[in-house]
Amino acid sequence: DGGITQSPKYLFRKEGQNVTLSCEQNLNHDAMYWYRQDPGQGLRLIYYSQIVNDFQKGDIAEGYSVSREKKESFPLTVTSAQKNPTAFYLCASKRTGNTEAFFGQGTRLTVV
Amino acid sequence: QKEVEQDPGPLSVPEGAIVSLNCTYSNSAFQYFMWYRQYSRKGPELLMYTYSSGNKEDGRFTAQVDKSSKYISLFIRDSQPSDSATYLCAPGGEGNFNKFYFGSGTKLNVKP
Repeated sequence: DGGITQSPKYLFRKEGQNVTLSCEQNLNHDAMYWYRQDPGQGLRLIYYSQIVNDFQKGDIAEGYSVSREKKESFPLTVTSAQKNPTAFYLCASKRTGNTEAFFGQGTRLTVV
Repeated sequence: QKEVEQDPGPLSVPEGAIVSLNCTYSNSAFQYFMWYRQYSRKGPELLMYTYSSGNKEDGRFTAQVDKSSKYISLFIRDSQPSDSATYLCAPGGEGNFNKFYFGSGTKLNVKP
């Protein structure tokens, strides 16, 4: 079955540690996205990538980093520089030129 | 000014009621208007999308766009308890359709 997979579903980390969230898709989509969702604020764009080895900052990129070494994979690293990292993180992908984005099931990150 | 404004609710209605969900947006260049449905602790799923102004109907759901007033609506007829979810509007379409902006989402509860 084609789809987009995020792992893990729940993640706990100590303050000051970097953590990497995984996102893999087998839909052959060119574009991939990372969003952060906080209560009452909807989805905010962190980073997006339209092609392998290229990515752009979204609206809230500070304290995050990404890589796009393969078309299928777009991991997100939450660094210790991110002031308030506890949130629900959503990865999405879509075919360039299409309107529909497909979302993963999300990773809930809690930093203690 | 936010790109998209959406009343967060929660909105509670009895089963069978007609539901109206609304968003306003600020960018007149937006051409595509999406509605996503998100169940608790899940990723959003595309419900409907419309292009430019006008109405689009799909079963019990009707999406409506008024570009002159930058106002988008989703109507749900004969609402069911299974419709209980958060509904996010997402206008966009700039940059080869690679960037969309999400509203904060309206939480809907349909009571049996």
